[in-house]
Amino acid sequence: AQSVTQPDIHITVSEGASLELRCNYSYGATPYLFWYVQSPGQGLQLLLKYFSGDTLVQGIKGFEAEFKRSQSSFNLRKPSVHWSDAAEYFCAVGAKGAQKLVFGQGTRLTINP
Amino acid sequence: GAGVSQSPSNKVTEKGKDVELRCDPISGHTALYWYRQRLGQGLEFLIYFQGNSAPDKSGLPSDRFSAERTGESVSTLTIQRTQQEDSAVYLCASSPPGPKNYGYTFGSGTRLTVV
Repeated sequence: AQSVTQPDIHITVSEGASLELRCNYSYGATPYLFWYVQSPGQGLQLLLKYFSGDTLVQGIKGFEAEFKRSQSSFNLRKPSVHWSDAAEYFCAVGAKGAQKLVFGQGTRLTINP
Repeated sequence: GAGVSQSPSNKVTEKGKDVELRCDPISGHTALYWYRQRLGQGLEFLIYFQGNSAPDKSGLPSDRFSAERTGESVSTLTIQRTQQEDSAVYLCASSPPGPKNYGYTFGSGTRLTVV
């Protein structure tokens, strides 16, 4: 069965600092991987997705993620965070085709001024 | 429509009452999903529709929960005899057809409070 682990429940970084949010997945075949962001009181917005090919994927808002099959990881990064990046971030894994996604428990990001 | 629309946005109900939540997916999106998000928690899968059929309803927590979809469009999630533990945000999402998995577009959710 598919599963996703986000080891960090809460991360605090200073504005302008770099960011890395960890995501590890368990899946028997080639996974489809996603990162979503949920701002307070808002729905979830897709940041980026990985299907195949280049293991470094670029997303919106300056985010990127790297797929590492050997480590079963899909970590999200941003070189310099902005106060508006404060939100909850969810990693998700899915199978080929329109099937359900399995989500991690989320990482809450706080930005210090 | 332009996005996934859910109604109502907020619902307060008394314990034991039935509630019906509605989701209107993006036009042309054949797949529709319901998730539940309890306060401070991740997303819990409830049910998935492909067209009007539900190939995966494994996440429905009890027989008090049911969902249907008609006309490959609107879906309703019904919770009968609501309990306090049903309080959560219920999220609907849809995705387009095709061999790949493009990820979902989510609605803003229905916040259900059972008092």
